[in-house]
Amino acid sequence: QQPVQSPQAVILREGEDAVINCSSSKALYSVHWYRQKHGEAPVFLMILLKGGEQKGHEKISASFNEKKQQSSLYLTASQLSYSGTYFCGTEIDVNRDDKIIFGKGTRLHILP
Amino acid sequence: GAGVSQSPRYKVAKRGQDVALRCDPISGHVSLFWYQQALGQGPEFLTYFQNEAQLDKSGLPSDRFFAERPEGSVSTLKIQRTQQEDSAVYLCASSLKTANSPLHFGNGTRLTVT
Repeated sequence: QQPVQSPQAVILREGEDAVINCSSSKALYSVHWYRQKHGEAPVFLMILLKGGEQKGHEKISASFNEKKQQSSLYLTASQLSYSGTYFCGTEIDVNRDDKIIFGKGTRLHILP
Repeated sequence: GAGVSQSPRYKVAKRGQDVALRCDPISGHVSLFWYQQALGQGPEFLTYFQNEAQLDKSGLPSDRFFAERPEGSVSTLKIQRTQQEDSAVYLCASSLKTANSPLHFGNGTRLTVT
């Protein structure tokens, strides 16, 4: 039931782009994305609902392909502040007030 | 406004001791979640509440783990007879409701069992 994230880690130079993927073996109602910096709490980035929605937040955007049970997070023109670990969290059955299950994370390191 | 507050920030326990971890959610948030995060891993679901009702406790590792939220606000996660494998950061998160709502995380309690 835990979503699978890929890649596990990414190293970029400032200004480069990255894509982080999240896939589930179960049909999803929604996908959450969070970023966690070392020693800090995870911070909410965005929620995507089923329907192939794409959302944006600064230079960070995401898509959700309901049929493929996948979501992707896009970071364009990365900044040093984007470094951290990115987690996707999935909700399966909203009618049952389902819990949010997180993937193992993708570590992103931005070099100056 | 105040965010999610967890206490203590750090806890060292000797193996076999009982510990209690506290979470003060954001006022008015209906849902409250507990997660366990081992070093370098993602948050692992433990349990969650909607108001005072514990809707899912399927992630609790053993019957040594117990959580409560008696008045639908503050929650306590209790671990009895702690073991070394219990060492982790315990994160609490709250949200306005469960579906479609962002989780607001506390800074966590780092538990070290020696």
